[in-house]
Amino acid sequence: IAGITQAPTSQILAAGRRMTLRCTQDMRHNAMYWYRQDLGLGLRLIHYSNTAGTTGKGEVPDGYSVSRANTDDFPLTLASAVPSQTSVYFCASSDRTSGGNNEQFFGPGTRLTVL
Amino acid sequence: GQNIDQPTEMTATEGAIVQINCTYQTSGFNGLFWYQQHAGEAPTFLSYNVLDGLEEKGRFSSFLSRSKGYSYLLLKELQMKDSASYLCAPFSGSARQLTFGSGTQLTVLP
Repeated sequence: IAGITQAPTSQILAAGRRMTLRCTQDMRHNAMYWYRQDLGLGLRLIHYSNTAGTTGKGEVPDGYSVSRANTDDFPLTLASAVPSQTSVYFCASSDRTSGGNNEQFFGPGTRLTVL
Repeated sequence: GQNIDQPTEMTATEGAIVQINCTYQTSGFNGLFWYQQHAGEAPTFLSYNVLDGLEEKGRFSSFLSRSKGYSYLLLKELQMKDSASYLCAPFSGSARQLTFGSGTQLTVLP
C-alpha cells in the first residue's frame, strides 16, 4: 500500500441497504477525514478523526457513522442508504503533529449510487 | 462560520496567464490551501499560504492577504493539462479543519 486507498471504487446500492466504505492509509497520519463531493457543492466534511480512538462530526454527518479503531483505518458506514447519499466519497488524511503542515492527502474516491 | 467565494468557471488560452481569486470569511483562520482536481480524480495539493504575500512554485504562485480575507492562484504558461477544477480551502486553526470552496473550473483552449 502506498499512500491512501479506498474501496470499493464504485458501488450501486439499493435504498435501505447498509454499506461500509473502506479507507486505509500507510503514512501514519494521526488525522483522517471523510468528505462527499456533489456537483456545485464542492467537498463537504462528513466526519473526522483527530487520532485513533476519537471521532467528530463534520458539516453533513446525518445518516453516516465512522470508527477509528487504529491509526490506519477509517471506515464510513451508511446504516440505511437513501438516494440523497448518491455522491462521490473521498477519504483524506493529514499529519496534525506540531511539525506537520496540515496538508490533506486524498484517496482516489468511491462513487456511490443509491437507487 | 465559513464563507468562501470563487468564480465557478474560467477559460484561458494555452500559453497565457490566469488568476483565480478566492475570498473567504473563516473563524480562527490559520492559513489557506489551494488544491487541483482533474475530472474523476482526487484533489491534489498545490500550495499553502500562512503569511501574507506571494509564494511561488514553478508555474504556479499563490497570494494571501489575511487582513482582506483574499487569496489568488496564478497560473503561468498555461498548458492543456492545467484544465481542471481549482479548490480554495481556508484552514481553521481553532477547528483544525479545512473548508473547501465549490471550485473554479478552468478550461484551457488551444
